[in-house]
Amino acid sequence: EVQLVESGGGLVKPGGSLRLSCAASGFTFSSYSMNWVRQAPGKGLEWVSSISSSSSYIYYADSVKGRFTISRDNAKNSLYLQMNSLRAEDTAVYYCAREAVTYIDYWGQGTLVTVSS
Amino acid sequence: QSALTQPRSVSGSPGQSVTISCTGTSSDVGGYNYVSWYQQHPGKAPKLMIYDVSKRPSGVPDRFSGSKSGNTASLTISGLQAEDEADYYCCSYAGSYVVFGGGTKLTVL
Repeated sequence: EVQLVESGGGLVKPGGSLRLSCAASGFTFSSYSMNWVRQAPGKGLEWVSSISSSSSYIYYADSVKGRFTISRDNAKNSLYLQMNSLRAEDTAVYYCAREAVTYIDYWGQGTLVTVSS
Repeated sequence: QSALTQPRSVSGSPGQSVTISCTGTSSDVGGYNYVSWYQQHPGKAPKLMIYDVSKRPSGVPDRFSGSKSGNTASLTISGLQAEDEADYYCCSYAGSYVVFGGGTKLTVL
């Protein structure tokens, strides 16, 4: 069974940093591209970033480019999102999601990030 | 990277059919046959319902179907059931980025 478990969310002040982690199990992690998708309270889904299986290809949404960094450790079956210079508008539930080439097929339960003073 | 356009809400009675539209551009929906649809119940993670425009994952009822014409994709739910009440999001892969629709709230009357 595919499992994606996010951690690392919490309350952070504007301008601060946070690192999210996603522990993957139930599939061959090193064979799949992975994504981060976020959802602000009461709002829709917003794609944040994606990383290919070997980290060769990395993409970001314009809204986070230059502030967020996606990475992975295939030996640890883990996905990460380093978030710097956080803003109030980054407040959201952040989902780790597996990519099946042309679509996202599995999602974690999400971790809440709140940016507030 | 502008969000795809979906109606904010749709509704239907049990047993009826509803269709949710998703309009993008030739750079995303119109340029690739990579439209997917997700169902999200309150407080839950999204669930894949349709991928590659019209394919259904194992376990998704055949009441759910997808199609595309030009820059607009559609999700049709036939034989509406109470448990179909949820938010629905379309999504398009567009090469170097992914874009979601704003979401549609489906109410089963």
